[in-house]
Amino acid sequence: QLQLQESGPGLVKPSETLSLTCTVSGDSISSSGYYWGWIRQPPGKGLDWIGQIYYSGSTSYKPSLKSRVTISADTSKNQFSLKLSSVTAADTAVYYCTRRAYGSGRVDYWGQGTLVTVSS
Amino acid sequence: QSALTQPASVSGPPGQSITISCTGTNSDVGGYNYVSWYQQHPGKAPKLMIYDVSNRPSGLSDRFSGSKSGNTASLTISGLQAEDEADYYCISYTGSSWVFGGGTKLIVL
Repeated sequence: QLQLQESGPGLVKPSETLSLTCTVSGDSISSSGYYWGWIRQPPGKGLDWIGQIYYSGSTSYKPSLKSRVTISADTSKNQFSLKLSSVTAADTAVYYCTRRAYGSGRVDYWGQGTLVTVSS
Repeated sequence: QSALTQPASVSGPPGQSITISCTGTNSDVGGYNYVSWYQQHPGKAPKLMIYDVSNRPSGLSDRFSGSKSGNTASLTISGLQAEDEADYYCISYTGSSWVFGGGTKLIVL
């Protein structure tokens, strides 16, 4: 059974960089056919797509976040990561890591989510 | 890139059918057959209900169905049950990224 687990600091100071890691078990992130991505949800608000990485290493990001976001993968650890720079309170959210099937909009696996609060 | 438009809330009594709309543009909903719908209960991760406009994941109740006409996608839930009360989100491909709707709260009366 595929499982995704987010990890990282729950508190980040304004202007610093938010860093999260998603550890995948039950599948290899280097196998073809899937995108590995990040979606967030500010408290009490809706879902917000951040970006994704394909097994080949190609990435795509939400246009309005593109200048601040980097998604990378470490195949040796079967992990992928999110870095979001210059954070503000508006970046406070539950961050989910996800798996989406290639050639489809089907996001079939989600992590449990981790709350990251931006505050001094 | 603007969020897709969903009604803030819809409601219906048990047993009835409801439809949630998701309106975009010909650059997202209207341009691609990559619209999905997710159900989210409070404090839980979203759950896939419909993908690629009208496909149901294996094992999901056939009370849930999806469709699209022009720039508007729709999620229909028939035979409403109490456990269907949740937030529902649509998401569409935009050609280079993905964009969510603002979400719809379904209230089962």
